Amino acid sequence: NAGVTQTPKFQVLKTGQSMTLQCAQDMNHEYMSWYRQDPGMGLRLIHYSVGAGITDQGEVPNGYNVSRSTTEDFPLRLLSAAPSQTSVYFCASSQPGLAGGNEQFFGPGTRLTVL
Amino acid sequence: RKEVEQDPGPFNVPEGATVAFNCTYSNSASQSFFWYRQDCRKEPKLLMSVYSSGNEDGRFTAQLNRASQYISLLIRDSKLSDSATYLCVVGENQAGTALIFGKGTTLSVSS
Repeated sequence: NAGVTQTPKFQVLKTGQSMTLQCAQDMNHEYMSWYRQDPGMGLRLIHYSVGAGITDQGEVPNGYNVSRSTTEDFPLRLLSAAPSQTSVYFCASSQPGLAGGNEQFFGPGTRLTVL
Repeated sequence: RKEVEQDPGPFNVPEGATVAFNCTYSNSASQSFFWYRQDCRKEPKLLMSVYSSGNEDGRFTAQLNRASQYISLLIRDSKLSDSATYLCVVGENQAGTALIFGKGTTLSVSS
């Protein structure tokens, strides 16, 4: 199993550009989420999904969109990039209800810089 | 805002030392508790879940005090490989899907 994969690993954008961060998992997990991690801050939840077709907002959703058309994929879209969105983005998945199912598996992260 | 507070450190200890990390959380209704480990520029990985009765995994012992809203992690016989940032994480539900992360405590173990 590849686990949780994220692409790209690094990205530089100009203010106002849009882009999509990709996230995929091959563990058939129902729950997927996106976090951002900024220096001196804990991970903060952007959006999450409890299954295909179901998404909801986390703590810091503004400026981001998500969709969940399949169990495997959970892309994060930046609509119009701003310097405040410079951060490291982590995607995570889990399968609640299984033994140990509350473990969140994280992808390797995408380092985004917005100029 | 629901919060999880940790001493950021850094904690600098020699190999073989015992070190303890503390964490407090603001939401008394929180239902699940974890310690994650994050190596430099890597993704967080689950170190251990924390149960009300306390639990141990090798050199690592976690304790939870719900009345005081306090979580601890004790590392005995520190190894160089324990150097990392330790994240205290609190879940708003039993499934662990609504997580609040602390900012992390950095540990550096030296020889």
